[in-house]
Amino acid sequence: AQSVAQPEDQVNVAEGNPLTVKCTYSVSGNPYLFWYVQYPNRGLQFLLKYITGDNLVKGSYGFEAEFNKSQTSFHLKKPSALVSDSALYFCAVSNFNKFYFGSGTKLNVKP
Amino acid sequence: EPEVTQTPSHQVTQMGQEVILRCVPISNHLYFYWYRQILGQKVEFLVSFYNNEISEKSEIFDDQFSVERPDGSNFTLKIRSTKLEDSAMYFCASSAGTITNNEQFFGPGTRLTVL
Repeated sequence: AQSVAQPEDQVNVAEGNPLTVKCTYSVSGNPYLFWYVQYPNRGLQFLLKYITGDNLVKGSYGFEAEFNKSQTSFHLKKPSALVSDSALYFCAVSNFNKFYFGSGTKLNVKP
Repeated sequence: EPEVTQTPSHQVTQMGQEVILRCVPISNHLYFYWYRQILGQKVEFLVSFYNNEISEKSEIFDDQFSVERPDGSNFTLKIRSTKLEDSAMYFCASSAGTITNNEQFFGPGTRLTVL
C-alpha cells in the first residue's frame, strides 16, 4: 500500500531563513514522489517530482527536495524563505491511477 | 501554458438534488481524476478515468457518484442525490500518464455547498 505522512501540521520560519517541510512515505516498488502547493482558495500547483536519478530535485520558485531512500523521506527545502511562500504544502506518492496525498503542512513565513 | 479548467467555481444546491461538476482537462492528456477536499482536511482521491472507463475508485466514490467523458474535451462528475457531507472543494486533474510525465495538473476547483 502507498501512503504519505507529513508529521508537522504547521511550520513557522522567518523570512530569509532556510525552510524544511518534512515528508515520509511508504510504497511498494519504486516511488514516484511529488510536492504540490495550495494557496488560499486555489487549486494545487505542481512544484517538483522525483521519478529516478539524482536524489536532489529542483522545482519551481526556488524549492528543492531530497529523496532519501534509507529514511524513506522526501523533505521539501528552500535556502531562503519568502513571505509569499506562505501556503499549504502537500507531499504525494503516486502510481499511474491516483495520488496519495499527505495531510498537508501549513507554512507560515513571517517578515 | 495549457491548464485544467473547471466550472462552475461555486455551486450551491439543496440536499437531495443532483449536481454536475464540469472539467476540461489538458488536451493531450489521457488520464483524468477527481479529488475532493473537505474544508481544512486533506485532499482525497475519488476516481481515475482512462480510455473511457474508470480505472480506479475510492470507497468514497459510491453509487451516488458517476463520471463521464461525454465528448472529446469535457470530463464530468455527477452526484445524484447530494448530502450535507458532500460539501467540499472538488478538484479535477489530468495527466499525460507516461513515466517521465506522470505529474497531475489540477484545476482551480469547484466549491460545492449543500444546504
